Amino acid sequence: TAGITQAPTSQILAAGRSMTLRCTQDMRHNAMYWYRQDLGLGLRLIHYSNTAGTTGKGEVPDGYSVSRANTDDFPLTLASAVPSQTSVYFCASSPAGGFGYGYTFGSGTRLTVV
Amino acid sequence: KNEVEQSPQNLTAQEGEFITINCSYSVGISALHWLQQHPGGGIVSLFMLSSGKKKHGRLIATINIQEKHSSLHITASHPRDSAVYICAADRDDKIIFGKGTRLHILP
Repeated sequence: TAGITQAPTSQILAAGRSMTLRCTQDMRHNAMYWYRQDLGLGLRLIHYSNTAGTTGKGEVPDGYSVSRANTDDFPLTLASAVPSQTSVYFCASSPAGGFGYGYTFGSGTRLTVV
Repeated sequence: KNEVEQSPQNLTAQEGEFITINCSYSVGISALHWLQQHPGGGIVSLFMLSSGKKKHGRLIATINIQEKHSSLHITASHPRDSAVYICAADRDDKIIFGKGTRLHILP
């Protein structure tokens, strides 16, 4: 089934450790996004990429990095995790930059930093 | 004040009731999105609106650009409609999400 695959689905991580959340899409969408969802705050954009080879900062980029080596993959890395990064992380994609052209969400990664 | 406000925050209703969820926004937009998030966490796009009204099955979404207001209606609600419904204002340069409305339909 075409769509977005996120891995892992959930993870408990010790503070100070690094981790990469994986996101792969098979729709050949140009734009990809990483969001975090926290209770009472809604979805907030961490980083985005409008096309392979480019990335940009969203609303809450601190403590996170991304790369976009190819069209399909958009990993999110936490270099040194802190408890405030406990959240549910969603990857999304759209055919072109800007949500207005339609988009798809992954099923999410639940991360707990202890 | 949040740029996208949803009401109510929580809504519990009996099966069969007509449901309305409201979304007001204070920014200029190119489109307004309605999303559905089920208890398992997955997020699904329901509607993208730039004017007027759209209907899909028992779901109807309307938008009034002048009043900066959108509504999502569910007719003949069913327990499987229980989910969080999120509206999002699309400004091309960024998306602003509402905090969601948690809907619980009782059998």
